[in-house]
Amino acid sequence: GEDVEQSLFLSVREGDSSVINCTYTDSSSTYLYWYKQEPGAGLQLLTYIFSNMDMKQDQRLTVLLNKKDKHLSLRIADTQTGDSAIYFCARGAGTALIFGKGTTLSVSS
Amino acid sequence: DAGVIQSPRHEVTEMGQEVTLRCKPISGHNSLFWYRQTMMRGLELLIYFNNNVPIDDSGMPEDRFSAKMPNASFSTLKIQPSEPRDSAVYFCASKTGANYGYTFGSGTRLTVV
Repeated sequence: GEDVEQSLFLSVREGDSSVINCTYTDSSSTYLYWYKQEPGAGLQLLTYIFSNMDMKQDQRLTVLLNKKDKHLSLRIADTQTGDSAIYFCARGAGTALIFGKGTTLSVSS
Repeated sequence: DAGVIQSPRHEVTEMGQEVTLRCKPISGHNSLFWYRQTMMRGLELLIYFNNNVPIDDSGMPEDRFSAKMPNASFSTLKIQPSEPRDSAVYFCASKTGANYGYTFGSGTRLTVV
């Protein structure tokens, strides 16, 4: 299977919570990351979590890490139309980052 | 800071031509990375530099691809000769020594016809 896997699409209604899931195979990463890509733009770092943490909250964003199951999730509370984008999960591999293929989040009003 | 600057933003070229993509990293960042993004393969790391020295080029697909970083403020990715399957968005990213991820440029969309 892929090193970092994500579901490809998620559709939610404005105001709902969105949960984007990610699984990875290599548990040696010190940090795990979430990036956001808007159309025609580069990747923007949203948040990251250290591997010895199991949760991190930053305003509307909550990251949950289950190291035993190698599962990472990103919850966006009160999702807005401006949150529509592609969200990438990534794990640190030495100096490099290994990315999943991205989850396209579509928010309808 | 203006962020990571890539040029050109779009490039359309004919098969067989040489293509050069350019990147200016953020001042003070000591690592620079080239990624390629396609629908089929997602984001692939092509090569990265630490302090201007190439560290890992195992992601460079073929000898047609080459990358240089002559100084701390400039890097190029060259494809010669280009082929239609090279069509993709190429991203440059830079980072400091901290583990807080990278800063990406806006990318160069390459189309080889």
